[in-house]
Amino acid sequence: EAQVTQNPRYLITVTGKKLTVTCSQNMNHEYMSWYRQDPGLGLRQIYYSMNVEVTDKGDVPEGYKVSRKEKRNFPLILESPSPNQTSLYFCASSMRGSSYNEQFFGPGTRLTVL
Amino acid sequence: DAKTTQPPSMDCAEGRAANLPCNHSTISGNEYVYWYRQIHSQGPQYIIHGLKNNETNEMASLIITEDRKSSTLILPHATLRDTAVYYCIGRSNFNKFYFGSGTKLNVKP
Repeated sequence: EAQVTQNPRYLITVTGKKLTVTCSQNMNHEYMSWYRQDPGLGLRQIYYSMNVEVTDKGDVPEGYKVSRKEKRNFPLILESPSPNQTSLYFCASSMRGSSYNEQFFGPGTRLTVL
Repeated sequence: DAKTTQPPSMDCAEGRAANLPCNHSTISGNEYVYWYRQIHSQGPQYIIHGLKNNETNEMASLIITEDRKSSTLILPHATLRDTAVYYCIGRSNFNKFYFGSGTKLNVKP
C-alpha cells in the first residue's frame, strides 16, 4: 500500500531534550516536506526537500533541522525543543514535476513539549 | 507570495451542493490552484487542482475565474462525511506551499 508513515504518532517531552520524528514514504517520491499545524493558523511549511541531499527552508524553519540521506526518509530533528514547538506535525511527499504535485500526507505526529 | 483567502466557515445541507470560494489574487500565470481537505486531525487529502480551465473529477469540480484571481470548489451532493476543513493552496514558488487557515464546512442533516 502506498503510504507515508510517521513515528512516533504521539510524543510528550521536556524542554531541551533532543528528539527526532521519522518520516518514510514507499512511493519513490522525490519531493518531501514537513508541516506544522496550530489552531487558527492552518498548516505551515517547515522544510522541504526536492531530492536526496537537497533541502530548503519553508515558512517556519527556526528550531528545526532535517536531513535527506535516502530518498524514502526525511526525518525532522528538534535539537532543543521548546514549548512553542508543541504542535501537530505532518510529513508529506509527492512526485516532482512542473504541474503535478498531489501531496500524500502522513497521519501526523502530535508533539507536546513541557 | 501566492497566498489565499477563504471564509472561516460555511454550512451546507446534506444532499445539496457545497460551493467553497477562494481568493488568490496574487497567483502568477503559471501557478496551479490546489484544493485539499482535512477531516478532524488526519493528514490532508488531495481533492483537485487546475490552472485556468474548469476541472472535474470524481470528488469535486473546480471553477476558476477567467482572471484567475479566485476559484470555487464545488461538492455537487454534500454528505455528512464531507464535513471537514477545506484548503485552497497557493504556492510562493514551485517548491513552497501556503495552506492558509481553510474553510470549515459543516454539512448538516
